[in-house]
Amino acid sequence: GQNIDQPTEMTATEGAIVQINCTYQTSGFNGLFWYQQHAGEAPTFLSYNVLDGLEEKGRFSSFLSRSKGYSYLLLKELQMKDSASYLCAVPNAGNNRKLIWGLGTSLAVNP
Amino acid sequence: EAGVTQFPSHSVIEKGQTVTLRCDPISGHDNLYWYRRVMGKEIKFLLHFVKESKQDESGMPNNRFLAERTGGTYSTLKVQPAELEDSGVYFCASSPGVFGEKLFFGSGTQLSVL
Repeated sequence: GQNIDQPTEMTATEGAIVQINCTYQTSGFNGLFWYQQHAGEAPTFLSYNVLDGLEEKGRFSSFLSRSKGYSYLLLKELQMKDSASYLCAVPNAGNNRKLIWGLGTSLAVNP
Repeated sequence: EAGVTQFPSHSVIEKGQTVTLRCDPISGHDNLYWYRRVMGKEIKFLLHFVKESKQDESGMPNNRFLAERTGGTYSTLKVQPAELEDSGVYFCASSPGVFGEKLFFGSGTQLSVL
């Protein structure tokens, strides 16, 4: 089967750096997505990694290690508006258009 | 560009009643997905349309759920009759058609069955 694990909650301070980890188990790998979801709003796409390594996109970076079944999302120069849930998802091995989701990590950024 | 819109944003019904949720995807997006999040659980896939055809409905919980996509445009998800365990947030998402692309989500319909 497929399984995704993320920490449930994290707290960080405005201006700091935070790393949100995601570990996954899947029989076939077709990439990994990160989405951000503010309370009561739509999830919005942050990144998609299919190759190993770090991809940087402004203040947000995403890392993937396929051999370790591990990814992380790195948020730099944290702002209050970054308080949100961060969701890790991988395509289903049998149907790669069907995403399997983690529970999400609720990040609270404090002043 | 208009995003994915869902209606209603909230619905409170009694067990045994019928509810119909609507999703308008981004114009031109062939792929339309329904997902559901039950409180305390992860988001789960319900089904996937390509244009008006159901490509995968393996996530539909049971035959009380019926999804349609008229003419390959908007989609409806009907729950009849609703049960308590159907409560949750129902998300719709759309995408143009290339694998590995991002999904554009609607804000969801919060369904409460009492």
